[in-house]
Amino acid sequence: QVQLQESGPGLVKPSGTLSLTCAVSGGSISSSNWWSWVRQPPGKGLEWIGEIYHSGSTNYNPSLKSRVTISVDKSKNQFSLKLSSVTAADTAVYYCARVLVAIDAFDIWGQGTMVTVSS
Amino acid sequence: DIQMTQSPSTLSASVGDRVTITCRASQSISSWLAWYQQKPGKAPKLLIYKASSLESGVPSRFSGSGSGTEFTLTISSLQPDDFATYYCQQYNSYRGFGQGTKVEIK
Repeated sequence: QVQLQESGPGLVKPSGTLSLTCAVSGGSISSSNWWSWVRQPPGKGLEWIGEIYHSGSTNYNPSLKSRVTISVDKSKNQFSLKLSSVTAADTAVYYCARVLVAIDAFDIWGQGTMVTVSS
Repeated sequence: DIQMTQSPSTLSASVGDRVTITCRASQSISSWLAWYQQKPGKAPKLLIYKASSLESGVPSRFSGSGSGTEFTLTISSLQPDDFATYYCQQYNSYRGFGQGTKVEIK
């Protein structure tokens, strides 16, 4: 069964760039699915950040689009998130998730990783 | 952007109660709606997709209905494991979530 695991620094300085990676195991990232990032600030709701297909096609949340880059590395079976010019408002648990194309929903999630923006 | 509004924000209920959560979209999303359950410190779990299809392994006490702009998630008989926060999620032009409904013990 497919599993997802996020990794990356837990602390990022203000104005810096947040970088996370999601490793896909038990399946191929080249399968016909979208691979997404979702975040959740402490005590708040879920926010979709964006997604990528194995071809490299991307969709981003318009509210974050100017600061977000999602990329895929098929050789390592992983995809990555970069969020630039971060502020305290970007402090959140960041989840990677698979969007199963057949149902257009997030069917598999990583456990999440907490990222704090602070000096 | 499509806005998703859930109601209520918090719901107090007892074991055995029938519970209904509503999600309204600011414009039609056909049946492109999913429901998730999230427990503290855990990732969300898919319950319902395409408005009314039950995800494999999800108990049949969960059901979804609706299309267009109004959708509901119903738990027919609330169980102790069901106390959690529930989110609706749409896919139309972009993906987006409702603000969540916390189901707490009455």
